[in-house]
Amino acid sequence: QVHLVQSGSQLKKPGASVKISCQASGYTFTHYAMNWVRQAPGQGLQWMGLINTKNGNPTYAQDFTGRFVFSLDPAVNTAYLEIINLKSEDAGIYYCARDFHAPWGQGSRVSVSS
Amino acid sequence: IQLTQSPSSLSASIGDTVTISCRASQGISDYLNWFQEKPGTVPNLLIYGASHLKEGAPSRFSGSGSGTEFTLTISGLQPEDIATYYCQQYDHPSITFGQGTRLDIK
Repeated sequence: QVHLVQSGSQLKKPGASVKISCQASGYTFTHYAMNWVRQAPGQGLQWMGLINTKNGNPTYAQDFTGRFVFSLDPAVNTAYLEIINLKSEDAGIYYCARDFHAPWGQGSRVSVSS
Repeated sequence: IQLTQSPSSLSASIGDTVTISCRASQGISDYLNWFQEKPGTVPNLLIYGASHLKEGAPSRFSGSGSGTEFTLTISGLQPEDIATYYCQQYDHPSITFGQGTRLDIK
């Protein structure tokens, strides 16, 4: 069955970078795009965009351009989300999700504090 | 495309029929999902394609609508239905979520 396992919680200082991984199993990795979703503390769900796992082409939602980078390592069935120059408002839980029908990753919590 | 859910929160009694609305800022055919997010857990798909119940989801959940107006109905509210419910449109290339409806038990 489809299983997405994400990296653990991270605490970072403002201005630092953070990289979150999402390792997939149970299906052919390159057959489905990978979506990223953010949930800020006490807030709703925001779609950040997706990455085409066949060619690595990312699509970013309007609010997530510039400091957010999607990447892949198909050799290990893993998608990555990197956030550069962290700001306090980047704190939250980040989820990867295949096509939303399958179970999402368990979420990766990012905290930003000096 | 923006999605507006109503109400933002509601309280209902066990056994009640509950309806949550989701309005799209433009027509999205039936490209709409409904998710349930229980406290401290990962969101879970309930309804896809506006009206199709995901396998394994309780039959008391149903969805309807097309175009710009959609509804999630819970027929016979159960204690385990305490959650926040989100609609999501996937009329590509963009995907958006509604702001969520928080449901609790009276």
